[in-house]
Amino acid sequence: GAVVSQHPSRVICKSGTSVKIECRSLDFQATTMFWYRQFPKQSLMLMATSNEGSKATYEQGVEKDKFLINHASLTLSTLTVTSAHPEDSSFYICSARDRRNTEAFFGQGTRLTVV
Amino acid sequence: DAKTTQPTSMDCAEGRAANLPCNHSTISGNEYVYWYRQIHSQGPQYIIHGLKNNETNEMASLIITEDRKSSTLILPHATLRDTAVYYCIVRVYNQGGKLIFGQGTELSVKP
Repeated sequence: GAVVSQHPSRVICKSGTSVKIECRSLDFQATTMFWYRQFPKQSLMLMATSNEGSKATYEQGVEKDKFLINHASLTLSTLTVTSAHPEDSSFYICSARDRRNTEAFFGQGTRLTVV
Repeated sequence: DAKTTQPTSMDCAEGRAANLPCNHSTISGNEYVYWYRQIHSQGPQYIIHGLKNNETNEMASLIITEDRKSSTLILPHATLRDTAVYYCIVRVYNQGGKLIFGQGTELSVKP
């Protein structure tokens, strides 16, 4: 299957700082990317959907000013957690789909710990 | 998108077939059934998807009932590495269709 790479796989940051997570589609053009968050022993929760060159669409209850999403190219989307707090500590996962709109492929996830 | 119902957990003996059920009684005619799995602390992995015909690939088989209200994912010869949470998702096959995850089934393959 297609490859989606996330970076970093693990990050620790101080409370009040911002952290950027990158999601790249390595062998296909991702017209649509999705960002999920997963807390321990819970399922994935969709945060937002982004289409290349457009503003992201956020799910209800997700603060768009706190979780900045940029999808400037067909192979790269970034999620920036601004002014991070300990409650933002979570597993963040991206997913990408190409123009054929078949199955979505997922990155390996980023474990964010805010101290 | 239609909601799915899966058992919370299942056990399977190594080498035996694992049959994971999913109910999607409110599925619409244009919604596909997708299966993903998530091994601990990794991103979900695509397994298989189908509309109404049974499907098979190198990983698994998907059996969809004639009324499409339920389906079964079959791992023909489960190994310890198949221990994971398995998610059954239905979604419309359209531009930008998002995948909404339920709680999934935690499959434990035991020696």
